[in-house]
Amino acid sequence: AQKVTQAQTEISVVEKEDVTLDCVYETRDTTYYLFWYKQPPSGELVFLIRRNSFDEQNEISGRYSWNFQKSTSSFNFTITASQVVDSAVYFCALSCTSGTYKYIFGTGTRLKVLA
Amino acid sequence: SAVISQKPSRDICQRGTSLTIQCQVDSQVTMMFWYRQQPGQSLTLIATANQGSEATYESGFVIDKFPISRPNLTFSTLTVSNMSPEDSSIYLCSVERVVGQGNLYFGPGTRLTVT
Repeated sequence: AQKVTQAQTEISVVEKEDVTLDCVYETRDTTYYLFWYKQPPSGELVFLIRRNSFDEQNEISGRYSWNFQKSTSSFNFTITASQVVDSAVYFCALSCTSGTYKYIFGTGTRLKVLA
Repeated sequence: SAVISQKPSRDICQRGTSLTIQCQVDSQVTMMFWYRQQPGQSLTLIATANQGSEATYESGFVIDKFPISRPNLTFSTLTVSNMSPEDSSIYLCSVERVVGQGNLYFGPGTRLTVT
């Protein structure tokens, strides 16, 4: 069975602090994709990153970075020097290419960045 | 990325009525998905809609309650029938441009309130 766990329900940080959002996934597939989406208060889901299972290189995009570790089935997301505009709910998701093909979402982590 | 629009963006409906949500994509896509996001919750897949075939519903969702149409490769509708307050949610249309490539994009959502 496929599953995505985001153990952190809510995190509060002060502006300019670094914050890491955890994501742990379960799948028996060897080929799969992992994603992060941002959902600001407006409600729209914003695609942040996609990573396939064969690419374990970490990625950095501006203040955002992602750490993919297959050994621990984790795909963590770090925001450096957080800003108030980063306040949102962040979802981690998994899609597998075998069996019933669909996307599985975690329960989300609400990030509050305080000024 | 895909440009996805949904109509209406929000609505307030009375118990017992039905609402049809439209999803329009700017280019042809094979797979379209309808998700529901209840207040403060994660995304739950309602059904997968492929053009030319019946929609495939997830456990807990039935065609009589959520009939879906997929008349062509750029358009789909989801109807929420015989609504109750429990149907108050955000309904999201999403598409995958290339099947199996892990590129899921979301529309802006329809915020439904049932009174």
